[in-house]
Amino acid sequence: DTAVSQTPKYLVTQMGNDKSIKCEQNLGHDTMYWYKQDSKKFLKIMFSYNNKELIINETVPNRFSPKSPDKAHLNLHINSLELGDSAVYFCASSQDDSGTGSSYEQYFGPGTRLTVT
Amino acid sequence: GQNIDQPTEMTATEGAIVQINCTYQTSGFNGLFWYQQHAGEAPTFLSYNVLDGLEEKGRFSSFLSRSKGYSYLLLKELQMKDSASYLCAVSTTDSWGKLQFGAGTQVVVTP
Repeated sequence: DTAVSQTPKYLVTQMGNDKSIKCEQNLGHDTMYWYKQDSKKFLKIMFSYNNKELIINETVPNRFSPKSPDKAHLNLHINSLELGDSAVYFCASSQDDSGTGSSYEQYFGPGTRLTVT
Repeated sequence: GQNIDQPTEMTATEGAIVQINCTYQTSGFNGLFWYQQHAGEAPTFLSYNVLDGLEEKGRFSSFLSRSKGYSYLLLKELQMKDSASYLCAVSTTDSWGKLQFGAGTQVVVTP
């Protein structure tokens, strides 16, 4: 059974297009994340949602807009794609640690390799 | 912000031991994670340290010294399948749920 799934796995598109990546988790977690991993393999957080509420919004161009229809889903929409957006995008989820003060491990999806031409 | 440093690459022989160091500078430290990432795959959780000391989990152990801002991941009895990137990540109390990752250490296991 897949814990965190993403679609599509590969996405090739042209500059200026708009695209979406979908993420779903069946772990019952309250918190979901989007990460970007560039060509140098550096993994950087973009957004985090807890129970459908945005709680982390790093310095990301506003062409990127996350949407969480429910706590099991977190989608990422990207407008006006640019060459520099080419990367692997990972979705992740974790247990809610807001009340406990503890940190919990994050479970990552398989990634979406986005190539902008 | 946090600065997280780890070596870029390490090479070791099958059956040997390798120690991957990670140093960090942060305020409001709330735990350090180690993840393993094989090429083309997702990161997978290996260990979590929030208190000083050694956590052992099979062939992998992780150590933390909060006063020194230092952690290491110890891989024993190396196997070819251990060839991967190992990511050190820090959690802080002022950014709930957010992990700041290091650039990763590529471990190459040779026969």
